[in-house]
Amino acid sequence: KQEVTQIPAALSVPEGENLVLNCSFTDSAIYNLQWFRQDPGKGLTSLLLIQSSQREQTSGRLNASLDKSSGRSTLYIAASQPGDSATYLCAVNRDDKIIFGKGTRLHILP
Amino acid sequence: EAQVTQNPRYLITVTGKKLTVTCSQNMNHEYMSWYRQDPGLGLRQIYYSMNVEVTDKGDVPEGYKVSRKEKRNFPLILESPSPNQTSLYFCASSSGRLAGHNEQFFGPGTRLTVL
Repeated sequence: KQEVTQIPAALSVPEGENLVLNCSFTDSAIYNLQWFRQDPGKGLTSLLLIQSSQREQTSGRLNASLDKSSGRSTLYIAASQPGDSATYLCAVNRDDKIIFGKGTRLHILP
Repeated sequence: EAQVTQNPRYLITVTGKKLTVTCSQNMNHEYMSWYRQDPGLGLRQIYYSMNVEVTDKGDVPEGYKVSRKEKRNFPLILESPSPNQTSLYFCASSSGRLAGHNEQFFGPGTRLTVL
């Protein structure tokens, strides 16, 4: 059974620093992996989608990588800002099932 | 504007009183799904639909029903709600028949409290 783990569960970082969020999954037979952002009490906003054949995707200050063979993905955030404070979730997609990690709660200190 | 809408956004009800949470998308997506989000448990899939009249169970389907009579709508039905169904519910959709093909779009969420 696919399990998705995100470590750490919470992270506090001073503004301006670069940071990396981690996502690991147990079954490498995935179709793609998606990173989301969730603000308190709000819905999920898609950040990046990496197909299984891809190694990374970039959007602005965000860069997501995927190493399917080792079951790992990272989300790199450059030059962090207070507005980046949120919970970040990764989700592994395989055909008809989508499995989410429990998220990393990120707090950027002004 | 492309979006997924849910109604109601907030609902407080009592045990056993049937309720329906509506979900609608205007992107002509084939795939739609329902999730519940609980502290410490994360997001878990309840039901999903790959197209009209095609639905299947996710990881936590007990106590829920769904229907997909039209492509744009995917209501979640709680026939006899119980307090353990108190949760934050999300509807999502994506293009393509299978969930894993394309980017998922989420609704704003419905916070349900069952007393």
